[in-house]
Amino acid sequence: GAVVSQHPSWVICKSGTSVKIECRSLDFQATTMFWYRQFPKQSLMLMATSNEGSKATYEQGVEKDKFLINHASLTLSTLTVTSAHPEDSSFYICSAREGASTDTQYFGPGTRLTVL
Amino acid sequence: GQNIDQPTEMTATEGAIVQINCTYQTSGFNGLFWYQQHAGEAPTFLSYNVLDGLEEKGRFSSFLSRSKGYSYLLLKELQMKDSASYLCAVRDHGHSGYSTLTFGKGTMLLVSP
Repeated sequence: GAVVSQHPSWVICKSGTSVKIECRSLDFQATTMFWYRQFPKQSLMLMATSNEGSKATYEQGVEKDKFLINHASLTLSTLTVTSAHPEDSSFYICSAREGASTDTQYFGPGTRLTVL
Repeated sequence: GQNIDQPTEMTATEGAIVQINCTYQTSGFNGLFWYQQHAGEAPTFLSYNVLDGLEEKGRFSSFLSRSKGYSYLLLKELQMKDSASYLCAVRDHGHSGYSTLTFGKGTMLLVSP
């Protein structure tokens, strides 16, 4: 089956620093990747959608200058949380879709970010 | 926007059958997914419905009625490992040509011996 990896699986950083999270599709080419955020006991919230080689489309309320998304290749997307603050502490999950909009999304294992 | 409703919690006993309902409202329906999520882990795909009817996959089945904006996930022969959160997610055509997936808040299922 389709496998999506994320790195790191967890990270602790100081307030004001930037953190980069990688999302990779290991055995398929992902034309579209999605980034979600999940706070404890809440549902996943879509942050942004990105297609390879184009700018990400951010959901309402998500600051594009704070959450930088790069989808430079068909197997890699990165999310950089800039100037992180404690309220950014959350579980960040990426998913990838191989082709058409009818294809299933496959989720990465998630990255737990803790900002001190 | 979308409005997805599912029960917050359900309990069942090992070996039983449980049905988790999901109702939704969306303007550009393009499929409904069910995911299983264990605590601290990412969701895993269970089923996908885009046409009305029942999709069966082993112990799990999912039903969709587009006219009613309704779906259910049926779990048979429950096992302890089925204790997890079950997320209903609706895909619509979204904006800028991208389809988006919106998740319900999840139903926490507790399976007891």
